[in-house]
Amino acid sequence: DTAVSQTPKYLVTQMGNDKSIKCEQNLGHDTMYWYKQDSKKFLKIMFSYNNKELIINETVPNRFSPKSPDKAHLNLHINSLELGDSAVYFCASSQDMRQGGTDTQYFGPGTRLTVL
Amino acid sequence: GESVGLHLPTLSVQEGDNSIINCAYSNSASDYFIWYKQESGKGPQFIIDIRSNMDKRQGQRVTVLLNKTVKHLSLQIAATQPGDSAVYFCAEIANFGNEKLTFGTGTRLTIIP
Repeated sequence: DTAVSQTPKYLVTQMGNDKSIKCEQNLGHDTMYWYKQDSKKFLKIMFSYNNKELIINETVPNRFSPKSPDKAHLNLHINSLELGDSAVYFCASSQDMRQGGTDTQYFGPGTRLTVL
Repeated sequence: GESVGLHLPTLSVQEGDNSIINCAYSNSASDYFIWYKQESGKGPQFIIDIRSNMDKRQGQRVTVLLNKTVKHLSLQIAATQPGDSAVYFCAEIANFGNEKLTFGTGTRLTIIP
């Protein structure tokens, strides 16, 4: 069983397009995240949602809009794609220690976005 | 500001030998540290974690050591195997319950057969 899944795995698109990446977790966690990993493997958090509420927004351009329809899903919509958006995007989830979890974040397989 | 850095970007180890991957952090208030392993084409995978009230934690073939005095973290992998080849990241959460993970730059571990 896949704990954190993302679709699509690969996404190739033209500059200026709008695209979405989807994430689902079946771990029952209440916190979900989006990370961006650049070509040098540097991982940086973009957003975090807890029970469908935004709790972390790390100075990401407003072309990026996360949406959490329920606590098991966190989608990432990107408007007007730019060349610099090319990266691997990872979704993750965790259970807050205050809710009986361990804070450990579990990552999805990643979505490789290439903007041409 | 807060940062998590690694001493070595690459490390090559003979199969069967022990590996040690090091990590330095700058925020003395950090209270939770995690090591992740990322294989090619996959997402980071949790290996082991440690809280700031501990200085050592052992898992299966892995040991994490935390030295708060010098703000240093290390991951020791015993009897390395080809499957251990990956990029290893240390990460910290600066404030308990904050959930914001700050990742280091990663160390690529290559196991030589």
